[in-house]
Amino acid sequence: GAVVSQHPSRVICKSGTSVKIECRSLDFQATTMFWYRQFPKQSLMLMATSNEGSKATYEQGVEKDKFLINHASLTLSTLTVTSAHPEDSSFYICSAGVERGIRYEQYFGPGTRLTVT
Amino acid sequence: ELKVEQNPLFLSMQEGKNYTIYCNYSTTSDRLYWYRQDPGKSLESLFVLLSNGAVKQEGRLMASLDTKARLSTLHITAAVHDLSATYFCAVDMLWLRTSGSRLTFGEGTQLTVNP
Repeated sequence: GAVVSQHPSRVICKSGTSVKIECRSLDFQATTMFWYRQFPKQSLMLMATSNEGSKATYEQGVEKDKFLINHASLTLSTLTVTSAHPEDSSFYICSAGVERGIRYEQYFGPGTRLTVT
Repeated sequence: ELKVEQNPLFLSMQEGKNYTIYCNYSTTSDRLYWYRQDPGKSLESLFVLLSNGAVKQEGRLMASLDTKARLSTLHITAAVHDLSATYFCAVDMLWLRTSGSRLTFGEGTQLTVNP
């Protein structure tokens, strides 16, 4: 149980175009979904947190107009990188969060590798 | 601002040896997690530590938490090549009850186990 999928797993796009990444919780409903970015050989950095039906909360330094997050249901969140540039090339990982008693678990998706040429 | 520091950042060890990875964090936390990441892959959850003195073991890995010292350790016993990966600790500040979680990750420890 607790499987999170991401689509696509890899995407290459040209500079100036937009790319949408989907994150789905397949066998559970997630109260919150999280988007992370990871540059090569670096750690994960939280970009934004979103709850179903409400606006995402972005971390300091993350441009909300560039990284559009839509959380349409308890099982689906999307991240759209608008007007992508080569510096946006990165590994994007989503997670879906759910409370389990006193524990709160984030289940991570397999990641999406974005390359902007 | 919460800071999470791991050391060492790079660890090369021989099979059969023991070693410990340390994770220090700067403020009181609710929960601490350890994850494994293989190259090109996402995170695999290893341990969740919820209270002071918590100790969890799975195979050759054992994690512990000392909330007073704000320190967690990941101990590797008799390392094998399959353990080669990057290991992250992450500290969870219970941010807002409605959100439930806010993970801050350490820099990661890249472990290489040599035959």
